[in-house]
Amino acid sequence: EAGVTQFPSHSVIEKGQTVTLRCDPISGHDNLYWYRRVMGKEIKFLLHFVKESKQDESGMPNNRFLAERTGGTYSTLKVQPAELEDSGVYFCASSQGGRGASTEAFFGQGTRLTVV
Amino acid sequence: QKEVEQNSGPLSVPEGAIASLNCTYSDRGSQSFFWYRQYSGKSPELIMSIYSNGDKEDGRFTAQLNKASQYVSLLIRDSQPSDSATYLCAVSRWGNNRLAFGKGNQVVVIP
Repeated sequence: EAGVTQFPSHSVIEKGQTVTLRCDPISGHDNLYWYRRVMGKEIKFLLHFVKESKQDESGMPNNRFLAERTGGTYSTLKVQPAELEDSGVYFCASSQGGRGASTEAFFGQGTRLTVV
Repeated sequence: QKEVEQNSGPLSVPEGAIASLNCTYSDRGSQSFFWYRQYSGKSPELIMSIYSNGDKEDGRFTAQLNKASQYVSLLIRDSQPSDSATYLCAVSRWGNNRLAFGKGNQVVVIP
């Protein structure tokens, strides 16, 4: 069974440019999460999809970040325009089960984003 | 106050010894507790989950949970060089699947 897949693994962009990160969750997992780790800090929650619906987006830093989950399958996270402080590692995770159940989440390898 | 605290610095243990990692959390409503292992440049890998007070053992790993003290720990018995990694403590509430992570503890097992 394939795990959570993220693309690209690394991205270096200039301030002001746009970057789109992609996540393919484990097949059949309704829950999909985005997290981010900024250098020296802990991994922080960004948002949570249940199928194609945003369940919780309270961790999104600002409106430069836009997440979508087309048809409840893969998800994209777009940063537009990117700022220096957006640099970090963006993790995607997925889990089975629906809302109300605390289930074990499986993580992708992350996308390392560097904004210069 | 951070949601999840892992205060210890890098932990060096001799091969075969026990590595002990501690984690405290601030949200008394937390119901699910996880330990992830992360090798450098790799994805966090779930190694233990615990939901009830007490101990839970899985192979060489034992997780301990004390909700009254808001404390969860991980013991690694018979440490191996392959256990050298960063260990992340994460907690969540029932009905809210978002995970709150600690900064992690680096473990170095010395052959």
